Amino acid sequence: EPEVTQTPSHQVTQMGQEVILRCVPISNHLYFYWYRQILGQKVEFLVSFYNNEISEKSEIFDDQFSVERPDGSNFTLKIRSTKLEDSAMYFCASSDDRGGQPQHFGDGTRLSIL
Amino acid sequence: DQQVKQNSPSLSVQEGRISILNCDYTNSMFDYFLWYKKYPAEGPTFLISISSIKDKNEDGRFTVFLNKSAKHLSLHIVPSQPGDSAVYFCAASAMMNQFYFGTGTSLTVIP
Repeated sequence: EPEVTQTPSHQVTQMGQEVILRCVPISNHLYFYWYRQILGQKVEFLVSFYNNEISEKSEIFDDQFSVERPDGSNFTLKIRSTKLEDSAMYFCASSDDRGGQPQHFGDGTRLSIL
Repeated sequence: DQQVKQNSPSLSVQEGRISILNCDYTNSMFDYFLWYKKYPAEGPTFLISISSIKDKNEDGRFTVFLNKSAKHLSLHIVPSQPGDSAVYFCAASAMMNQFYFGTGTSLTVIP
């Protein structure tokens, strides 16, 4: 079964540094998402992306965040100047229709900010 | 802002018995609901969904019930199996916009 893959599985970064989290969605999917889960808290929506533009974003997704689909396969989340509170699991998801269901999730990237 | 709540952080059930996981929501505009299962070190896996035009959806051992007047949904797993042990998240959306997740319920099925 096709999978969403995320790299790296664990990223350790110094506060203030830029970090790029990478995702390869399922190849025929058109809608892409990023979520995060801070340890012990709920999964939170960050952003959805369709047709090379952001279709929806949450209040968490401020100016330090950006997303990009640089080629036909990758979907990236960039955090420009990381803060301690950015430490979380970041999940990428993709789906093949506007309803987005079901969204297929990757296994996540654990981001640790020191 | 907890629009979706799972008030039971954990649940233990004997193998073969029914597991009932509950979820409450506050936003009456929500019209699509899903349950995800999550194993440690893995991403959430879609389990079952229900739209607001239905009050029940069944898929094998999994059934989701929706009570719109009570703003409550539940996931029934019967019979429960040890492999069902995982964290279960409910999620809800309004008109297919962003999904709001609950905090999860950790299910342990005891052999």
